[in-house]
Amino acid sequence: QLQLQESGPGLVKPSETLSLTCTVSGGSISSSSYFWVWIRQPPGKGLEWIGTNDYSGSTWYNPSLKSRVTISVDTSKNQFSLKLSSVTAADTAVYYCGRHRGGSSSFDPWGQGTLVTVSS
Amino acid sequence: QSALTQPASVSGSPGQSITISCTGTSSDVGGYNYVSWYQHHPGKAPKLMIYDVSNRPSGVSNRFSGSKSGNTASLTISGLQAEDEADYYCSSYTSSSTWVFGGGTKLTVL
Repeated sequence: QLQLQESGPGLVKPSETLSLTCTVSGGSISSSSYFWVWIRQPPGKGLEWIGTNDYSGSTWYNPSLKSRVTISVDTSKNQFSLKLSSVTAADTAVYYCGRHRGGSSSFDPWGQGTLVTVSS
Repeated sequence: QSALTQPASVSGSPGQSITISCTGTSSDVGGYNYVSWYQHHPGKAPKLMIYDVSNRPSGVSNRFSGSKSGNTASLTISGLQAEDEADYYCSSYTSSSTWVFGGGTKLTVL
């Protein structure tokens, strides 16, 4: 059974770069059938798609974040990562990683999520 | 991109049926059969309940069903149970090759 687990600092200072890693277990990140996605949920708000990467390096990003976000895949470690630069308090959120089955609208499974707070 | 529109809250009694709507535009919900629904209990990982408008993943109760008409997708839960109380989110593919979520609906089982 595929499992995903987010990891990274829970506190980031304003203007710095938020970096998170998602470790995939129980399956290969190199499957051509799946893409890898980051989604976030600010406190008290709804879900927001951040972006997607397939294992070959193609990426798609939320236009509102595109200038600040990078999602990359490390097949040797079976991990993918999120980098969000120049963060502000508005980037405080629970960040989820997930798997997206290509050719469908299926985001499944998701990680448990990790809270990242942007504060000095 | 604008979030899809969902009612902030819906409620129902055990055994009843409820429907949650998800309204977008012809550039997202209306343009593609790529609508999915997620159940989210606070503090837990969101769970896929419906994908591609009306498909149910293995292991999801057949009390959950999805449909779409024009720019509005719907999630129906029949035979409401206490464990169904959660937040529900819809999601859709868009013409910009991106994904957009709804604002979420809090389901209360009375």
